[in-house]
Amino acid sequence: DTGVSQDPRHKITKRGQNVTFRCDPISEHNRLYWYRQTLGQGPEFLTYFQNEAQLEKSRLLSDRFSAERPKGSFSTLEIQRTEQGDSAMYLCASSRGLVETQYFGPGTRLLVL
Amino acid sequence: GESVGLHLPTLSVQEGDNSIINCAYSNSASDYFIWYKQESGKGPQFIIDIRSNMDKRQGQRVTVLLNKTVKHLSLQIAATQPGDSAVYFCAENLDVQGAQKLVFGQGTRLTINP
Repeated sequence: DTGVSQDPRHKITKRGQNVTFRCDPISEHNRLYWYRQTLGQGPEFLTYFQNEAQLEKSRLLSDRFSAERPKGSFSTLEIQRTEQGDSAMYLCASSRGLVETQYFGPGTRLLVL
Repeated sequence: GESVGLHLPTLSVQEGDNSIINCAYSNSASDYFIWYKQESGKGPQFIIDIRSNMDKRQGQRVTVLLNKTVKHLSLQIAATQPGDSAVYFCAENLDVQGAQKLVFGQGTRLTINP
């Protein structure tokens, strides 16, 4: 399978714990995006990388959130001191270049108890 | 099963009929539009796209129409099949200082009745 992959697919954690998600984009896609989706809503943009550079961050991305793409390939999204409001589906997408189709991964479903 | 959307607009059609899903977008500067299909518990799946210099594009069983005057997008699915049941999202591409950011619409839940 050469699509976008995400790990884990599901994560249950207690409030206050830290969690980290991984995204592996489609090979040779230099742009990688993170979105968050809550029930009944469309995905909302969080942040975006071109190669290893993080170029855009949404106001939704509080100080507790950090994303990295150290080698310009896979990316990680970490949430520190999780809150119940962080419960959502976290989606990763990648694209070949500017104004190109974004292809999404299966998402990581986070539940904060 | 897991529900993607609890209070989405809904559309029910009979298997074999054609369906039309509508979407209004917000930014007249948007230059690229995409329709995604999302099944329960899965990520959005690309269906078809259209750029702002076109008003119609056809794929296999799907057609997207773009009306820039009224900022309206539609997705037509011909000869619907049970596998077409899903939530459909339109998304507009916003170029924010060189970053490509997708802004998604509310979504429509399509149900195909046998």
